[in-house]
Amino acid sequence: TQLLEQSPQFLSIQEGENLTVYCNSSSVFSSLQWYRQEPGEGPVLLVTVVTGGEVKKLKRLTFQFGDARKDSSLHITAAQPGDTGLYLCAGAQAAGNKLTFGGGTRVLVKP
Amino acid sequence: ETGVTQSPTHLIKTRGQQVTLRCSSQSGHNTVSWYQQALGQGPQFIFQYYREEENGRGNFPPRFSGLQFPNYSSELNVNALELDDSALYLCASSKGGANEKLFFGSGTQLSVL
Repeated sequence: TQLLEQSPQFLSIQEGENLTVYCNSSSVFSSLQWYRQEPGEGPVLLVTVVTGGEVKKLKRLTFQFGDARKDSSLHITAAQPGDTGLYLCAGAQAAGNKLTFGGGTRVLVKP
Repeated sequence: ETGVTQSPTHLIKTRGQQVTLRCSSQSGHNTVSWYQQALGQGPQFIFQYYREEENGRGNFPPRFSGLQFPNYSSELNVNALELDDSALYLCASSKGGANEKLFFGSGTQLSVL
């Protein structure tokens, strides 16, 4: 069974601070995706990383895929209240887009 | 707005009952995946339908079943409901093929009493 573990489970910070969310697995994934989910909504895809060591930036968000394609991190610089939400990582197997999700990290950015 | 619509948005059932959840996929998408998200957890893959055929199944018992129709909309059926079936059920549509982006609906919140 492929498992993805996210840490921390909950993060509360002040506006303007930085934060990092981690996603770790003992399994190799062909790609890893990061989603953000708000209450009452489905997850929305932020980014997909495919190549080991890959780094992608989306405005103040930086995503990194580990060299061995087993782990990933999401770093938010100068967090804003609008960044509040549940952040989910999800790994895809080589055969398709059936995703294994981590347990999620709930981020609260206080103004 | 993803173009994926799910109905109903909320549902309350009692143990032992049966439930049907519905999902309309985004235009141009022929693949629908269903996920169960328990409170405080990440979504878990139930199964996927591609062109009306089941195309992969997660670790869920046979009382979880599905259908996909010629217009690519889909249903999730759960028989003999148990308390632990209480969760947010998410539908995601995509184009066929590996690594295609998933577009999620807002989900159906099912409560089993």
